Amino acid sequence: KQEVTQIPAALSVPEGENLVLNCSFTDSAIYNLQWFRQDPGKGLTSLLLIQSSQREQTSGRLNASLDKSSGRSTLYIAASQPGDSATYLCAVRRAGANSKLTFGKGITLSVRP
Amino acid sequence: GAVVSQHPSRVICKSGTSVKIECRSLDFQATTMFWYRQFPKQSLMLMATSNEGSKATYEQGVEKDKFLINHASLTLSTLTVTSAHPEDSSFYICSARGASGRTDTQYFGPGTRLTVL
Repeated sequence: KQEVTQIPAALSVPEGENLVLNCSFTDSAIYNLQWFRQDPGKGLTSLLLIQSSQREQTSGRLNASLDKSSGRSTLYIAASQPGDSATYLCAVRRAGANSKLTFGKGITLSVRP
Repeated sequence: GAVVSQHPSRVICKSGTSVKIECRSLDFQATTMFWYRQFPKQSLMLMATSNEGSKATYEQGVEKDKFLINHASLTLSTLTVTSAHPEDSSFYICSARGASGRTDTQYFGPGTRLTVL
């Protein structure tokens, strides 16, 4: 059974800092991995999706990497801003037409002005 | 990115009543839709997966007679919480995955906050 772990559960940093959010998963036979952002009381916004054959994806100040063999992914946020404060969830999907996402519990990020 | 809407965004009902939540994919055809619930400070728990025109597949421990899911078209799925009780109070989020080019990314709705009194 796939398990996704995100540690730490919460993180507080000063504005402007570059930071790395970690995600690990137990079964490396994944189809893809997705990073999401969730604001309090809101749904999920997809940030980046990395296919199993890819090593990284970039969007603006965000960069996500994937090391499938070691079961790890990182989300790098450059020059953090208070608006980046949210919960960041990592989810992996196994192969198959109806395969589902397995989520980590998320990392709640607070960026202090 | 693709847009998934949910309606209503918030609902308060009395115990014993039924509540229907709609999930729509606005700019793509969703061949597969997912329903999740989320408790405070917890991650998402998958309730069921549905394909258009087929019966939903429920996760272990989810009562299919209590949480009725209908995926009648490629743009609409509904979740009906029947005979709701206070323990059903939660944040319900739907998600959609599409066809032809949109099969990889899962898009999520904004969620529905259900409070059962």
